[in-house]
Amino acid sequence: QTLLIQPPSASGTPGQRVTISCSGSSSNIGRNTVNWYQQLPGTAPKLLIYSKNQRPSGVPDRFSGSKSGTSASLDISGLQSEDEADYYCAGWDDSLNGPVFGGGTKLTVL
Amino acid sequence: QVQLQESGPGLVKPSETLALSCTVSGGSISSYYWSWIRQSPGKGLEWIGYIYTSGSTNYNPSLQSRVTISVDTSKNQFSLKLSSVTAADTAVYYCARGERGGGTNMVRGVIINYSYYYMDVWGKGTTVTVSS
Repeated sequence: QTLLIQPPSASGTPGQRVTISCSGSSSNIGRNTVNWYQQLPGTAPKLLIYSKNQRPSGVPDRFSGSKSGTSASLDISGLQSEDEADYYCAGWDDSLNGPVFGGGTKLTVL
Repeated sequence: QVQLQESGPGLVKPSETLALSCTVSGGSISSYYWSWIRQSPGKGLEWIGYIYTSGSTNYNPSLQSRVTISVDTSKNQFSLKLSSVTAADTAVYYCARGERGGGTNMVRGVIINYSYYYMDVWGKGTTVTVSS
């Protein structure tokens, strides 16, 4: 079963701010750090946010992550057409003793 | 920069063993965790398992009975074997480099241990279809 729950879809217009949520439990988000991956159509996932809101080199600061309790969020400010992609939250799960992914959120830029 | 490339048959018959390799170029395979992840058509990502360069492994419990991941440091390669495949194993298979660790947080005066695992370099993926 999917241990991290994301809304299946989200949308926004260029320039807008969009937030994608990820709901977990005390065995994953509640205790451990959260990562976010971006998957552009037809390509492999790309690490967007890791550890405590760290961004790999090359990821714009329009992308930021946060966490509260057993939920996490990915914020995208100044939305651009090239941000249209699937976004996955992920993190370590103590019960599984391994990494888990959310079901993914398809972001549409209107 | 480090690049990963998956290779292996694109078609596997039901009940047979799926075998894929991932070649690491542009860097050493040492001191990292190396994962396999798959994505069924139109679906999300599923972690299959990882291997550390020492050879220690960790598998998704849902696949553990059928999965073997191995590493060949001399070839800068790691491999996946998935036995007794069915149509449900049809997917794009990705290999990825992982970082794992942990630390402590102070939460309301209590020290809590936390863990992290993220995958920072991914291969482009290879499609495997299970069909007779």
